[in-house]
Amino acid sequence: GAGVSQSPSNKVTEKGKDVELRCDPISGHTALYWYRQSLGQGLEFLIYFQGNSAPDKSGLPSDRFSAERTGGSVSTLTIQRTQQEDSAVYLCASSLKRRTDTQYFGPGTRLTVL
Amino acid sequence: GENVEQHPSTLSVQEGDSAVIKCTYSDSASNYFPWYKQELGKGPQLIIDIRSNVGEKKDQRIAVTLNKTAKHFSLHITETQPEDSAVYFCAATQGGSEKLVFGKGMKLTVNP
Repeated sequence: GAGVSQSPSNKVTEKGKDVELRCDPISGHTALYWYRQSLGQGLEFLIYFQGNSAPDKSGLPSDRFSAERTGGSVSTLTIQRTQQEDSAVYLCASSLKRRTDTQYFGPGTRLTVL
Repeated sequence: GENVEQHPSTLSVQEGDSAVIKCTYSDSASNYFPWYKQELGKGPQLIIDIRSNVGEKKDQRIAVTLNKTAKHFSLHITETQPEDSAVYFCAATQGGSEKLVFGKGMKLTVNP
């Protein structure tokens, strides 16, 4: 069956531009997560959705970062006025219902800010 | 909040040897401890997990042990193979929110 998909796989942008990253979770999964992985680092939690609501946004590093989820499915992570320190791999994951259900990860979007 | 420490950061073994990765956590309310394997260019994939009511769990060549008193858990891989080469992440839930907090990862290299 289809896993979690993300697009684009790679994104190169200039400092100050806005970017949108997309995540398609596994069908039927109500929980969706965004993580950020910097070079040689672990996974940094950004935001958690349950359905279309985001009960935990505690990991968003600044107000330049926002995310939404529509129809209980697709999610978009938006970074406004990108900075070089935003360069990282952005990973999306989904789980059936709870945060302690198995989280299935997508392949990630590699963002490079020049 | 939860803090998860993972060590070593890199490990190189010969094919057929065993590998052990250790993690410690700080939140005594943590109750779920998954391990993920990440191959180059791919997202992490769950390989095994353990919950706080269990001390040990095995799945073929992989085993995980949990010591809640000492707040540490370990991943054991026996009879390592070159395809086990990857980065391995441990994680623990933050009590209350159940948010997963990840360690920084360990790069395992299995030499043929």
